[in-house]
Amino acid sequence: TQLLEQSPQFLSIQEGENLTVYCNSSSVFSSLQWYRQEPGEGPVLLVTVVTGGEVKKLKRLTFQFGDARKDSSLHITAAQPGDTGLYLCAGALNYGGSQGNLIFGKGTKLSVKP
Amino acid sequence: SQTIHQWPATLVQPVGSPLSLECTVEGTSNPNLYWYRQAAGRGLQLLFYSVGIGQISSEVPQNLSASRPQDRQFILSSKKLLLSDSGFYLCAWSPLGPGEQYFGPGTRLTVT
Repeated sequence: TQLLEQSPQFLSIQEGENLTVYCNSSSVFSSLQWYRQEPGEGPVLLVTVVTGGEVKKLKRLTFQFGDARKDSSLHITAAQPGDTGLYLCAGALNYGGSQGNLIFGKGTKLSVKP
Repeated sequence: SQTIHQWPATLVQPVGSPLSLECTVEGTSNPNLYWYRQAAGRGLQLLFYSVGIGQISSEVPQNLSASRPQDRQFILSSKKLLLSDSGFYLCAWSPLGPGEQYFGPGTRLTVT
């Protein structure tokens, strides 16, 4: 059974603080995606990382894919209330009929207080 | 650009009633299509996926079924709803290959 473990499950911080969310697995992924979801809406894709060791930046968000392509992290600098939401990581397994299917973590619920 | 639609947005149904949720994608052809259920704002559970018209794979045995009558249309159905079918249902599409998926706005189903 492939699992993606996300930590922490919940995070409540003050505006301006930095934070890091982790996504870990024993499986090797061909790619890994990060999504943000607002209450009552569908997840929105933030980034895809493909190469081991890859780092991508999206404004104040920095995403890193582990060298072995088993783990990833999301770092937010100077968090703002607009960053509040559920952050989901998802890994793509590329074999047989499951090509394109994603394994989702349970998410990190982030609350940024003004 | 590609867009994905789901309807209805919310639905309240009694136990034992039928269900039909619809998902359509615009701006792409031959996408992979997916149905997920999400409980209590947490992780997503894959229910069904389809790589083409009439081709459905079920990930979890349950009270639901899926159909793909047209290339860009995906339908989630049930003959008789159970209380445990309540949840937030998400449809997603992906191009073939890299695994990125793009989600619709979701349907909130409450079975009473």
